[in-house]
Amino acid sequence: EAGVAQSPRYKIIEKRQSVAFWCNPISGHATLYWYQQILGQGPKLLIQFQNNGVVDDSQLPKDRFSAERLKGVDSTLKIQPAKLEDSAVYLCASSLDPAARSGRALFFGPGTRLTVL
Amino acid sequence: SQQGEEDPQALSIQEGENATMNCSYKTSINNLQWYRQNSGRGLVHLILIRSNEREKHSGRLRVTLDTSKKSSSLLITASRAADTASYFCATDPTTGNQFYFGTGTSLTVIP
Repeated sequence: EAGVAQSPRYKIIEKRQSVAFWCNPISGHATLYWYQQILGQGPKLLIQFQNNGVVDDSQLPKDRFSAERLKGVDSTLKIQPAKLEDSAVYLCASSLDPAARSGRALFFGPGTRLTVL
Repeated sequence: SQQGEEDPQALSIQEGENATMNCSYKTSINNLQWYRQNSGRGLVHLILIRSNEREKHSGRLRVTLDTSKKSSSLLITASRAADTASYFCATDPTTGNQFYFGTGTSLTVIP
């Protein structure tokens, strides 16, 4: 079974530039998550999709971050414009259905390490 | 914040020894999961324990849960160099619909 795919693996940009990350979840997984992991901290949920609808985006800085999941499969996360504090690893994860309450495991991709200079 | 806290932040042991790490959280939960993260990689699910369970085993892993103290522990027995990683607990609160990851314990197993 193929895992969660993410690209690019690394990205370095100047502040105020824009950047986009791509995620392809495990086939058949209806729920997709984007997490931000700052160095030395645990992952923090940015947005959760159920198929192509947003379930939770309460912690997404909507003035600069956007995400979409067209056709309920692949997803992209965009930052525009980037700030220094956006330097982090951006992790995509998927699960068969919403993990909360169901006890489903999250399957994570390798992440994209973003450095904002 | 509903984020859990792991203790200790860092742990260094010799190969073959046991490693214990703890997770404390603040709200009532449905279940708690433990994940491992190798350097530069994504997280990997290790084990889940539900709120009505007190102990669970999986291979060399033993997880306990004390809901009265709002804490969980992860024991790795007979550690190996390959166990070197960061370990995170993730809580599923009874209110809301998302997991909250803790701050992590960085484990180093010295060959």
